[in-house]
Amino acid sequence: GESVGLHLPTLSVQEGDNSIINCAYSNSASDYFIWYKQESGKGPQFIIDIRSNMDKRQGQRVTVLLNKTVKHLSLQIAATQPGDSAVYFCAENSGGYQKVTFGTGTKLQVIP
Amino acid sequence: DGGITQSPKYLFRKEGQNVTLSCEQNLNHDAMYWYRQDPGQGLRLIYYSQIVNDFQKGDIAEGYSVSREKKESFPLTVTSAQKNPTAFYLCASSIGARADNEQFFGPGTRLTVL
Repeated sequence: GESVGLHLPTLSVQEGDNSIINCAYSNSASDYFIWYKQESGKGPQFIIDIRSNMDKRQGQRVTVLLNKTVKHLSLQIAATQPGDSAVYFCAENSGGYQKVTFGTGTKLQVIP
Repeated sequence: DGGITQSPKYLFRKEGQNVTLSCEQNLNHDAMYWYRQDPGQGLRLIYYSQIVNDFQKGDIAEGYSVSREKKESFPLTVTSAQKNPTAFYLCASSIGARADNEQFFGPGTRLTVL
């Protein structure tokens, strides 16, 4: 069936370096994508979203890139900090109402 | 402080017992959701409610029940029919049920069935 997934389950990054977290999706009808951050023992927190009519969107220290040709989504975190350590989920929506499909998550470990 | 709360944080129950998880929001949001999270898996939608007195099944509704009698509250009952109830349960709400309405999540309840 259609699904959202992530290439790497764990990513270790040196503090101050940039992080790139990748996500592949298989539903070509998906038109809205979201990145969430989940710290240990807590609920997910919205980071940034992007619609399918865009290929790039920037926030504070974060950038989301969307490549519809290869159905690929990435989250870039600039100058990674220890507080960025968490699990990051991509999610997609292809329905006409609020129903989001989440990926399995990538754990980001920041090395001080 | 506005937000979404879940209680309790940890819950233990014996096999065969029903258990109800609480979810309350004071954000004046119309839509509310329940997700289940298992290790190594993404969030899976159990039930959602677009408006008070209305709710729909999500992808894994079997063995669960909900009610939405008040806008602020969306309790989830895990029944004895749920074969693998041990999991981390997350409640969320959004201002509406549009795809681009941001979902705000509660802190979660970790249910362990012994």
